[in-house]
Amino acid sequence: GEDVEQSLFLSVREGDSSVINCTYTDSSSTYLYWYKQEPGAGLQLLTYIFSNMDMKQDQRLTVLLNKKDKHLSLRIADTQTGDSAIYFCAESTAGGSYIPTFGRGTSLIVHP
Amino acid sequence: DGGITQSPKYLFRKEGQNVTLSCEQNLNHDAMYWYRQDPGQGLRLIYYSQIVNDFQKGDIAEGYSVSREKKESFPLTVTSAQKNPTAFYLCASSIGDILNSPLHFGNGTRLTVT
Repeated sequence: GEDVEQSLFLSVREGDSSVINCTYTDSSSTYLYWYKQEPGAGLQLLTYIFSNMDMKQDQRLTVLLNKKDKHLSLRIADTQTGDSAIYFCAESTAGGSYIPTFGRGTSLIVHP
Repeated sequence: DGGITQSPKYLFRKEGQNVTLSCEQNLNHDAMYWYRQDPGQGLRLIYYSQIVNDFQKGDIAEGYSVSREKKESFPLTVTSAQKNPTAFYLCASSIGDILNSPLHFGNGTRLTVT
């Protein structure tokens, strides 16, 4: 079945780059999403990538997809304290339910 | 502005009482969802609805009930049968049955039952 795995915590210094990693199991055509959740709020869609792409860049965000290893990463350049949040990876797969499968979320802590 | 509204933001109830959480969307989305979030456990799907007057159980439906009488509304009732109801509840919606159908979330309701 589908499974999405993320590490639970990441701590970085302000101004450094953050890299949040995710692995998924389904190898069919897939959309992969990154969501951000600030404390006490809902999830906000940050970006997504389709499985026929290797990379997508949007301002400070870069998504890299390694289809062979089923590995997705989100890189945040010049990380700011406002980037402190929980980041969720999610996968939506052709041929299955259209409901995305979510990882458990990675808590990003940015130190001044 | 289009979006999803959950109310109230905080809800307090005594054990043994049923409570209903509101979720309204004006995005014209066909599908709506309820998730429960507990610390360290990510999101767990309670119920979802693909179309008006139809809904399906998710992974943890026991002790919950829903209705979908209108496209815009998907209220969740937490019944007294739910053994551990204190949690953060998130409602979401999406276009529906297409591959790229990202979920749009409300800001959540924090339910505390004592």
